[in-house]
Amino acid sequence: LAKTTQPISMDSYEGQEVNITCSHNNIATNDYITWYQQFPSQGPRFIIQGYKTKVTNEVASLFIPADRKSSTLSLPRVSLSDTAVYYCLVGDLDTGRRALTFGSGTRLQVQP
Amino acid sequence: EADIYQTPRYLVIGTGKKITLECSQTMGHDKMYWYQQDPGMELHLIHYSYGVNSTEKGDLSSESTVSRIRTEHFPLTLESARPSHTSQYLCASSGSSGSSYNEQFFGPGTRLTVL
Repeated sequence: LAKTTQPISMDSYEGQEVNITCSHNNIATNDYITWYQQFPSQGPRFIIQGYKTKVTNEVASLFIPADRKSSTLSLPRVSLSDTAVYYCLVGDLDTGRRALTFGSGTRLQVQP
Repeated sequence: EADIYQTPRYLVIGTGKKITLECSQTMGHDKMYWYQQDPGMELHLIHYSYGVNSTEKGDLSSESTVSRIRTEHFPLTLESARPSHTSQYLCASSGSSGSSYNEQFFGPGTRLTVL
Protein backbone atom coordinates (compact mmCIF):
# COMPACT_ATOMS: atom_id res chain seq x y z
CA LEU A 1 0.00 0.00 0.00
CA ALA A 2 1.14 3.53 -0.72
CA LYS A 3 2.80 5.00 2.35
CA THR A 4 2.68 8.68 3.12
CA THR A 5 4.60 10.70 5.68
CA GLN A 6 3.29 13.95 7.13
CA PRO A 7 4.25 16.09 10.12
CA ILE A 8 2.32 15.01 13.19
CA SER A 9 1.31 18.52 14.13
CA MET A 10 1.60 22.16 13.11
CA ASP A 11 0.74 25.44 14.78
CA SER A 12 -0.27 28.67 13.10
CA TYR A 13 -2.01 31.97 13.73
CA GLU A 14 -5.11 33.37 12.16
CA GLY A 15 -4.49 35.05 8.82
CA GLN A 16 -1.30 33.16 8.05
CA GLU A 17 -0.73 30.82 5.13
CA VAL A 18 -0.17 27.21 6.16
CA ASN A 19 1.71 24.67 4.05
CA ILE A 20 1.53 20.99 4.92
CA THR A 21 3.89 18.72 3.03
CA CYS A 22 3.34 15.02 2.45
CA SER A 23 6.02 12.59 1.26
CA HIS A 24 4.99 9.65 -0.93
CA ASN A 25 8.16 8.17 -2.41
CA ASN A 26 6.51 5.02 -3.78
CA ILE A 27 3.72 6.76 -5.68
CA ALA A 28 2.62 4.79 -8.74
CA THR A 29 1.94 6.11 -12.23
CA ASN A 30 -1.84 5.91 -11.89
CA ASP A 31 -1.99 7.28 -8.35
CA TYR A 32 -3.77 10.52 -7.48
CA ILE A 33 -2.98 12.64 -4.44
CA THR A 34 -5.99 13.51 -2.31
CA TRP A 35 -6.27 15.60 0.84
CA TYR A 36 -9.00 15.39 3.46
CA GLN A 37 -9.89 17.48 6.50
CA GLN A 38 -11.41 16.01 9.65
CA PHE A 39 -12.98 17.77 12.62
CA PRO A 40 -13.49 15.92 15.94
CA SER A 41 -16.40 13.48 15.93
CA GLN A 42 -17.02 13.96 12.20
CA GLY A 43 -16.10 12.02 9.08
CA PRO A 44 -13.30 13.34 6.87
CA ARG A 45 -14.19 15.83 4.19
CA PHE A 46 -12.55 16.04 0.77
CA ILE A 47 -10.46 19.18 0.26
CA ILE A 48 -8.56 18.82 -3.00
CA GLN A 49 -7.09 16.30 -5.40
CA GLY A 50 -4.37 16.42 -8.00
CA TYR A 51 -2.17 14.35 -10.26
CA LYS A 52 0.65 16.74 -11.15
CA THR A 53 1.63 20.44 -11.11
CA LYS A 54 -0.75 22.75 -9.30
CA VAL A 55 -4.42 22.54 -8.50
CA THR A 56 -6.43 25.31 -6.87
CA ASN A 57 -9.99 25.45 -5.62
CA GLU A 58 -11.94 27.83 -3.41
CA VAL A 59 -10.39 26.57 -0.18
CA ALA A 60 -6.86 25.36 -0.94
CA SER A 61 -4.05 24.84 -3.40
CA LEU A 62 -2.12 21.65 -4.02
CA PHE A 63 1.44 21.79 -5.33
CA ILE A 64 2.95 18.64 -6.84
CA PRO A 65 6.55 18.65 -8.16
CA ALA A 66 7.49 16.91 -11.37
CA ASP A 67 8.72 13.73 -9.67
CA ARG A 68 5.44 13.49 -7.69
CA LYS A 69 7.25 12.08 -4.65
CA SER A 70 5.78 14.77 -2.44
CA SER A 71 2.93 17.24 -2.37
CA THR A 72 2.11 20.39 -0.45
CA LEU A 73 -1.33 21.46 0.68
CA SER A 74 -1.53 25.23 1.00
CA LEU A 75 -4.25 26.88 3.08
CA PRO A 76 -4.34 30.64 2.54
CA ARG A 77 -5.16 32.91 5.47
CA VAL A 78 -6.25 30.27 7.98
CA SER A 79 -8.88 30.95 10.59
CA LEU A 80 -9.72 29.27 13.89
CA SER A 81 -12.20 27.07 12.07
CA ASP A 82 -9.36 25.49 10.09
CA THR A 83 -8.16 23.75 13.26
CA ALA A 84 -8.48 20.10 12.27
CA VAL A 85 -6.58 17.01 11.21
CA TYR A 86 -5.43 16.93 7.58
CA TYR A 87 -4.78 13.66 5.77
CA CYS A 88 -2.82 13.02 2.59
CA LEU A 89 -3.83 9.93 0.62
CA VAL A 90 -2.16 8.48 -2.44
CA GLY A 91 -3.71 6.00 -4.82
CA ASP A 92 -6.54 5.31 -7.20
CA LEU A 93 -9.84 4.07 -5.80
CA ASP A 94 -10.55 2.25 -9.04
CA THR A 95 -7.46 0.04 -8.89
CA GLY A 96 -7.36 -1.04 -5.28
CA ARG A 97 -7.05 -0.09 -1.68
CA ARG A 98 -4.01 2.13 -2.09
CA ALA A 99 -6.16 5.23 -1.74
CA LEU A 100 -7.80 4.05 1.47
CA THR A 101 -4.94 4.41 3.94
CA PHE A 102 -5.42 7.59 5.96
CA GLY A 103 -2.37 7.38 8.20
CA SER A 104 -1.91 9.59 11.24
CA GLY A 105 -2.52 12.90 9.48
CA THR A 106 -1.31 16.36 10.50
CA ARG A 107 -3.02 18.03 13.43
CA LEU A 108 -3.23 21.75 12.66
CA GLN A 109 -3.87 24.11 15.54
CA VAL A 110 -4.73 27.70 14.63
CA GLN A 111 -4.32 30.27 17.38
CA PRO A 112 -6.00 33.70 17.53
CA GLU B 1 -23.80 18.24 0.56
CA ALA B 2 -23.09 14.50 0.47
CA ASP B 3 -26.14 12.25 0.59
CA ILE B 4 -24.86 9.49 2.80
CA TYR B 5 -26.63 8.55 5.98
CA GLN B 6 -25.80 6.49 9.02
CA THR B 7 -28.12 5.28 11.76
CA PRO B 8 -28.08 5.28 14.65
CA ARG B 9 -25.79 8.21 15.39
CA TYR B 10 -25.21 6.99 18.94
CA LEU B 11 -25.72 3.52 20.41
CA VAL B 12 -25.11 2.25 23.92
CA ILE B 13 -25.63 -1.48 24.25
CA GLY B 14 -24.80 -4.34 26.56
CA THR B 15 -22.24 -7.06 25.96
CA GLY B 16 -23.44 -9.98 23.86
CA LYS B 17 -26.09 -8.12 21.92
CA LYS B 18 -26.34 -8.31 18.14
CA ILE B 19 -26.25 -4.92 16.44
CA THR B 20 -26.51 -3.63 12.92
CA LEU B 21 -25.19 -0.25 11.90
CA GLU B 22 -26.97 1.14 8.88
CA CYS B 23 -25.40 3.06 6.03
CA SER B 24 -27.15 4.25 2.90
CA GLN B 25 -26.31 6.63 0.08
CA THR B 26 -28.43 8.18 -2.63
CA MET B 27 -25.63 9.10 -5.02
CA GLY B 28 -25.63 5.83 -6.93
CA HIS B 29 -22.02 5.17 -5.93
CA ASP B 30 -20.76 1.68 -6.63
CA LYS B 31 -18.01 1.72 -3.98
CA MET B 32 -18.71 1.80 -0.26
CA TYR B 33 -16.47 1.54 2.79
CA TRP B 34 -16.53 1.10 6.56
CA TYR B 35 -13.87 2.64 8.76
CA GLN B 36 -13.30 2.38 12.49
CA GLN B 37 -11.79 5.25 14.44
CA ASP B 38 -11.08 5.67 18.14
CA PRO B 39 -10.99 9.26 19.49
CA GLY B 40 -7.84 11.09 18.38
CA MET B 41 -6.58 8.06 16.50
CA GLU B 42 -6.23 6.97 12.86
CA LEU B 43 -9.04 5.79 10.65
CA HIS B 44 -8.76 2.11 9.87
CA LEU B 45 -10.50 0.46 6.93
CA ILE B 46 -12.43 -2.60 8.10
CA HIS B 47 -14.62 -3.44 5.09
CA TYR B 48 -15.17 -2.29 1.54
CA SER B 49 -17.36 -3.11 -1.40
CA TYR B 50 -16.88 -2.39 -5.09
CA GLY B 51 -20.46 -3.25 -6.00
CA VAL B 52 -23.48 -5.41 -5.28
CA ASN B 53 -22.57 -8.82 -3.87
CA SER B 54 -18.92 -7.75 -3.58
CA THR B 55 -17.38 -7.32 -0.12
CA GLU B 56 -13.80 -7.46 1.10
CA LYS B 57 -12.10 -7.18 4.46
CA GLY B 58 -9.97 -4.14 5.07
CA ASP B 59 -6.63 -3.61 6.72
CA LEU B 60 -7.85 -3.82 10.31
CA SER B 61 -9.09 -7.17 11.49
CA SER B 62 -12.68 -6.86 12.58
CA GLU B 63 -15.23 -9.27 14.01
CA SER B 64 -17.97 -7.44 12.14
CA THR B 65 -19.54 -8.57 8.88
CA VAL B 66 -21.08 -6.60 6.02
CA SER B 67 -23.44 -7.23 3.15
CA ARG B 68 -24.15 -5.42 -0.12
CA ILE B 69 -27.43 -6.60 -1.55
CA ARG B 70 -28.44 -3.21 -2.91
CA THR B 71 -26.22 -0.51 -4.37
CA GLU B 72 -27.36 2.12 -1.91
CA HIS B 73 -27.18 0.07 1.27
CA PHE B 74 -24.12 -1.28 3.13
CA PRO B 75 -24.99 -2.41 6.68
CA LEU B 76 -22.41 -3.58 9.21
CA THR B 77 -23.31 -6.26 11.76
CA LEU B 78 -21.75 -7.35 15.03
CA GLU B 79 -23.16 -10.71 16.11
CA SER B 80 -22.07 -10.36 19.72
CA ALA B 81 -20.95 -6.93 20.85
CA ARG B 82 -18.04 -6.63 23.30
CA PRO B 83 -16.52 -3.62 25.11
CA SER B 84 -13.54 -3.83 22.70
CA HIS B 85 -15.96 -2.88 19.91
CA THR B 86 -16.52 0.53 21.47
CA SER B 87 -15.49 3.02 18.80
CA GLN B 88 -16.74 5.34 16.10
CA TYR B 89 -17.77 3.68 12.85
CA LEU B 90 -17.67 5.76 9.67
CA CYS B 91 -19.26 4.81 6.38
CA ALA B 92 -18.15 6.29 3.06
CA SER B 93 -18.87 5.94 -0.64
CA SER B 94 -17.26 6.92 -3.91
CA GLY B 95 -18.22 6.92 -7.56
CA SER B 96 -16.40 5.70 -10.64
CA SER B 97 -16.70 8.65 -12.95
CA GLY B 98 -17.02 12.39 -13.08
CA SER B 99 -15.02 15.12 -11.42
CA SER B 100 -15.29 13.52 -7.99
CA TYR B 101 -14.52 9.98 -9.01
CA ASN B 102 -11.61 9.53 -6.61
CA GLU B 103 -13.36 11.31 -3.73
CA GLN B 104 -14.84 9.55 -0.74
CA PHE B 105 -17.99 11.00 0.80
CA PHE B 106 -18.34 10.24 4.50
CA GLY B 107 -21.42 9.83 6.62
CA PRO B 108 -21.76 11.43 10.08
CA GLY B 109 -20.65 8.26 11.85
CA THR B 110 -22.08 6.01 14.55
CA ARG B 111 -20.56 6.22 17.98
CA LEU B 112 -20.91 2.79 19.59
CA THR B 113 -20.44 2.11 23.28
CA VAL B 114 -20.60 -1.47 24.54
CA LEU B 115 -20.97 -1.82 28.27
